[in-house]
Amino acid sequence: GESVGLHLPTLSVQEGDNSIINCAYSNSASDYFIWYKQESGKGPQFIIDIRSNMDKRQGQRVTVLLNKTVKHLSLQIAATQPGDSAVYFCAENGGGSNYKLTFGKGTLLTVNP
Amino acid sequence: DTAVSQTPKYLVTQMGNDKSIKCEQNLGHDTMYWYKQDSKKFLKIMFSYNNKELIINETVPNRFSPKSPDKAHLNLHINSLELGDSAVYFCASSPGQGKNIQYFGAGTRLSVL
Repeated sequence: GESVGLHLPTLSVQEGDNSIINCAYSNSASDYFIWYKQESGKGPQFIIDIRSNMDKRQGQRVTVLLNKTVKHLSLQIAATQPGDSAVYFCAENGGGSNYKLTFGKGTLLTVNP
Repeated sequence: DTAVSQTPKYLVTQMGNDKSIKCEQNLGHDTMYWYKQDSKKFLKIMFSYNNKELIINETVPNRFSPKSPDKAHLNLHINSLELGDSAVYFCASSPGQGKNIQYFGAGTRLSVL
């Protein structure tokens, strides 16, 4: 089953540094993954996605890495800015229904000026 | 223009009442979803409709009844509200069946007193 900690995992970085947010997924049949950013009081916002036939995908200032062997996903944010402060979720889509996204626990990123 | 819009943004009500949350998307998408986000930020799918047809129905109490009058609208009606229903409810939509990005609304914060 899922473990829900008392607190969100947190990552605190200095403005301008690179950030790496990690996510472990459990379903080896998952073949599509999405990273979302959720700012306080707002809905999750799409950042980047990756399909399982790739191991890396780059966007503007963001890179997603997928390691299917160990079922691990990471989001790298280059030159982190205060506006990047938010909760970041990975989501996997796999097995069973094609439409169902299963979200990870979320990581709170705080960028210090 | 807001792509996925939910109303109301805040809803405060007494235990035992019946309430509805409305969702509309102007993206021309075929598939819509309802998610529940608890106080620990855990985001979980509740329902999904594709072209007005129910395709995902997670283990949700039957006090929750989604209704899709057309593919641009998915409303959520909740009967006999309980304290544990307090959460943020998000509507989302995606272009269709298959592995697609889901676009989220801003959320409805429901507080049951």
